[in-house]
Amino acid sequence: ELKVEQNPLFLSMQEGKNYTIYCNYSTTSDRLYWYRQDPGKSLESLFVLLSNGAVKQEGRLMASLDTKARLSTLHITAAVHDLSATYFCAVGRFGNEKLTFGTGTRLTIIP
Amino acid sequence: KAGVTQTPRYLIKTRGQQVTLSCSPISGHRSVSWYQQTPGQGLQFLFEYFSETQRNKGNFPGRFSGRQFSNSRSEMNVSTLELGDSALYLCASSRSRTGVETQYFGPGTRLLVL
Repeated sequence: ELKVEQNPLFLSMQEGKNYTIYCNYSTTSDRLYWYRQDPGKSLESLFVLLSNGAVKQEGRLMASLDTKARLSTLHITAAVHDLSATYFCAVGRFGNEKLTFGTGTRLTIIP
Repeated sequence: KAGVTQTPRYLIKTRGQQVTLSCSPISGHRSVSWYQQTPGQGLQFLFEYFSETQRNKGNFPGRFSGRQFSNSRSEMNVSTLELGDSALYLCASSRSRTGVETQYFGPGTRLLVL
């Protein structure tokens, strides 16, 4: 059974600092997503990573995928308050829309 | 382009009742998946529909069922509601089943079972 683990579960960081969220998964998968969820809201797609070594960047967020290590990272650069949210990684297989989600990382940016 | 819509947004039911939730995917999207989100279990896959056929099912009891119509709109039904069914129910749509495209999520239906 596919398991997806994220760490840390909770993260408080000061504005302007850098940090990384880690996503490990237990079996071979073909694609990895990162989503953001604000309190009481739905999931917003951030990145889709489809191949080993894939790296995508949007603003202060950068995601990477290492399929051999079964690891994805979400790196936050020079955090700002607007990035406060819960971040989820999710793993899936080609030809199958089922996603297995990680536990989520609740990120709080402190001014 | 309009996003995924879900109705109703909030529901309060009592134990033993049944409920039907509706999801309209983004225009042109043919795959609809349903997820349950709870504080204890996180986000869990319920089922996926494509071309009016259930393609995949998660580990939920038979009380949870769904269907998809020819216009790709989907409904899910929960019968004999239990307190533990209180959750945010999210549906997601994607254009196909290749698995390489982004799944877009709707705003969710928040169900409270009393």
